[in-house]
Amino acid sequence: KAGVTQTPRYLIKTRGQQVTLSCSPISGHRSVSWYQQTPGQGLQFLFEYFSETQRNKGNFPGRFSGRQFSNSRSEMNVSTLELGDSALYLCASSDAGSETQYFGPGTRLLVL
Amino acid sequence: AQSVTQPDIHITVSEGASLELRCNYSYGATPYLFWYVQSPGQGLQLLLKYFSGDTLVQGIKGFEAEFKRSQSSFNLRKPSVHWSDAAEYFCAVGVMNYGGSQGNLIFGKGTKLSVKP
Repeated sequence: KAGVTQTPRYLIKTRGQQVTLSCSPISGHRSVSWYQQTPGQGLQFLFEYFSETQRNKGNFPGRFSGRQFSNSRSEMNVSTLELGDSALYLCASSDAGSETQYFGPGTRLLVL
Repeated sequence: AQSVTQPDIHITVSEGASLELRCNYSYGATPYLFWYVQSPGQGLQLLLKYFSGDTLVQGIKGFEAEFKRSQSSFNLRKPSVHWSDAAEYFCAVGVMNYGGSQGNLIFGKGTKLSVKP
């Protein structure tokens, strides 16, 4: 099976803009989780979607949002970008009922 | 609150030497524990996981980890390190509720491994 794919791999934006990142899970996986990785804060959980519903959310401001489509593909959106949003954004998928998450390569976002 | 501590930020070992990376967790129930590895600029690759049963688990690339409930630890080991093992290693605990996984992993800050030739 193909692994988790994320697009784009790299992005450069300026403050105040918005950005949309995409994640395609492993075929058959219905759960998609998103994480932010920064040198200072490490890996932090953003949110998780299962069957198009957000089941869990981390401690991030409302500027961070996401959605999941019927084919389990997921997008996350960050509005009104701030310099501190520069990070590696990782997506992970898991099978229904499984606790094991498989990660994609990430999208590196740089906010100038 | 749940947390994961990796006490060593950076470890350097010689190629061929043994390796142990430490991980301590704080979690109210029986934890679901994971070790992931990340090469520069890459995502996370699952090395191994512990859910229940045998407390010594085997993973990929010759890694193993031992769950010790009394010490709240889940240390990663490898008997002989290869230069290609140089990477950052993350320990994580899975947050669960009565319905199962919450899709939320809590990660330690990571241990960067350097390998000397």
